Amino acid sequence: DAGVIQSPRHEVTEMGQEVTLRCKPISGHDYLFWYRQTMMRGLELLIYFNNNVPIDDSGMPEDRFSAKMPNASFSTLKIQPSEPRDSAVYFCASSWTGYNQPQHFGDGTRLSIL
Amino acid sequence: AQSVTQPDIHITVSEGASLELRCNYSYGATPYLFWYVQSPGQGLQLLLKYFSGDTLVQGIKGFEAEFKRSQSSFNLRKPSVHWSDAAEYFCAVGSGNTPLVFGKGTRLSVIA
Repeated sequence: DAGVIQSPRHEVTEMGQEVTLRCKPISGHDYLFWYRQTMMRGLELLIYFNNNVPIDDSGMPEDRFSAKMPNASFSTLKIQPSEPRDSAVYFCASSWTGYNQPQHFGDGTRLSIL
Repeated sequence: AQSVTQPDIHITVSEGASLELRCNYSYGATPYLFWYVQSPGQGLQLLLKYFSGDTLVQGIKGFEAEFKRSQSSFNLRKPSVHWSDAAEYFCAVGSGNTPLVFGKGTRLSVIA
């Protein structure tokens, strides 16, 4: 079975540029989560969706961050404009219905903003 | 709100030695508990989970964990560590109403 697929795996761009991260969840999963991982702050939940609807975006750090899920098989996390402090590894995860279900993670996107 | 504490930031063990990684949680009701492992450059992989029933749960790669309600703990153990077990380990707690809360992780180094 295909797992959660994220693209790109690595992104290097200059500050001020728009960055778009992509995620394809596991087929049939109806929850999708976006996380950010840094050495200083660990793993942070940014936003999550249920049946393509955003449920809680309180973890999104600023208005520069936005996320969409236009259908059950695709989600994007966008940063515009990007800043050096946005450099981190961004993970997407998906799960079956129920917060007690284990989350399945993608391999992440390593983002570097110069 | 629930919370998770992993007291050890970094642990070093010799190959073949036993391992115990600590996890303490704070949650009023019976929690759902998970252990994940993250190898360098990869995402988090589920090792095991506890929902109810037998408090000793078995996972993949020879790992096990024991839920102790009286101590609010869910420690991860392995009787004999292999060099390939070197990774970051995350404990997570969930409820029926909110997403998982992850601890800050414990980095495991394995020496020959």
